[in-house]
Amino acid sequence: AQTVTQSQPEMSVQEAETVTLSCTYDTSESDYYLFWYKQPPSRQMILVIRQEAYKQQNATENRFSVNFQKAAKSFSLKISDSQLGDAAMYFCAYRRVSGNTPLVFGKGTRLSVIA
Amino acid sequence: DTGVSQNPRHKITKRGQNVTFRCDPISEHNRLYWYRQTLGQGPEFLTYFQNEAQLEKSRLLSDRFSAERPKGSFSTLEIQRTEQGDSAMYLCASSLFAGSTGELFFGEGSRLTVL
Repeated sequence: AQTVTQSQPEMSVQEAETVTLSCTYDTSESDYYLFWYKQPPSRQMILVIRQEAYKQQNATENRFSVNFQKAAKSFSLKISDSQLGDAAMYFCAYRRVSGNTPLVFGKGTRLSVIA
Repeated sequence: DTGVSQNPRHKITKRGQNVTFRCDPISEHNRLYWYRQTLGQGPEFLTYFQNEAQLEKSRLLSDRFSAERPKGSFSTLEIQRTEQGDSAMYLCASSLFAGSTGELFFGEGSRLTVL
């Protein structure tokens, strides 16, 4: 079974600084998607960034970028120029391509942004 | 496109009562998922539908839980004889199947408190 591990229950960052959230996963599949979702307090979960495993290039979305290391099964999220609105729970998630199976989530990292 | 809608947003019930949650997915999405999220944890998969067919159920989905999607549009999740351990946020998500990039779109969730 696929598993997703987020080893940092909580992180904090100063406003305008950069922070990196860690994620590792375990799978025997070669084709899969990886995601970072953001869940603000009492609000719905939204997609931050997505990576297809067959793509070597790391995905970027404005201030958000990933470091995808397929061999190491590592998928970290870097947030640059942190803003107060970035404070939230961040979940790393995995989904294999074949069979379009459900997302498997990690336990999350709570990010605090300090003004 | 109004996004994924869930009702009720909050439900407080006494142990032993039955509760039902409703999810209205994004209209063109043919896949619908139910997840459960307890405090400080990542979402855990419960079940999913493709159109009206229930394709997979997690072992978390005990006999007291039943989900339906009768016409392939909205879905209901019923919990019978609720227990205190059922207290959680119940999340609904939807996605396209064909041509999907793997992303799930989430609703704001239905929070259940069992007294």
